[in-house]
Amino acid sequence: ETGVTQTPRHLVMGMTNKKSLKCEQHLGHNAMYWYKQSAKKPLELMFVYNFKEQTENNSVPSRFSPECPNSSHLFLHLHTLQPEDSALYLCASSQGGLAGAPGQFFGPGTRLTVL
Amino acid sequence: QKEVEQNSGPLSVPEGAIASLNCTYSDRGSQSFFWYRQYSGKSPELIMFIYSNGDKEDGRFTAQLNKASQYVSLLIRDSQPSDSATYLCAGSIKAAGNKLTFGGGTRVLVKP
Repeated sequence: ETGVTQTPRHLVMGMTNKKSLKCEQHLGHNAMYWYKQSAKKPLELMFVYNFKEQTENNSVPSRFSPECPNSSHLFLHLHTLQPEDSALYLCASSQGGLAGAPGQFFGPGTRLTVL
Repeated sequence: QKEVEQNSGPLSVPEGAIASLNCTYSDRGSQSFFWYRQYSGKSPELIMFIYSNGDKEDGRFTAQLNKASQYVSLLIRDSQPSDSATYLCAGSIKAAGNKLTFGGGTRVLVKP
């Protein structure tokens, strides 16, 4: 595996389900991110982890719960989601926190549909 | 005022022409800027970053940064139909705690 991988690629869940998204980076980076991309809206940063420590929670509802067990793995636990949470969820990683060069590298995303 | 702004397009460009994309940002203290390309249904792919005033060239792409005027641009020379995508501008915006802040993207259509 190379780059940033995400599983599953597609997920359909009911509002009462609990599911988790997984991200793994094979780039030796120390910062990982979760973004949400909805139709017609800019990418929204959700969470930032730098050296496994959460350094940013961008006012995300508690029904989204991140977990970063080490610098290579990142999870997003989902429970009691709403239909408006349907979106593309993107994981990214970078060398160094936040926005240093050479930039963040994205995984393929998980297309989430909440019924 | 949005921190990073782009014209949503679509920007229609004939094959072989130069596509010119612009992006403005609100915080004069912002440092680094990035251009990503996103094909429909795919994730963003980093194509350029720039942090010094002036031009930076990489193949058919040239990024331009003007900190005094607070804009970043991307030129795509010899545009190809495969360049048809949405181009996202992102900046390390000081006012946002140096988080990477994305514009809404400009959709580019290259017509054969």
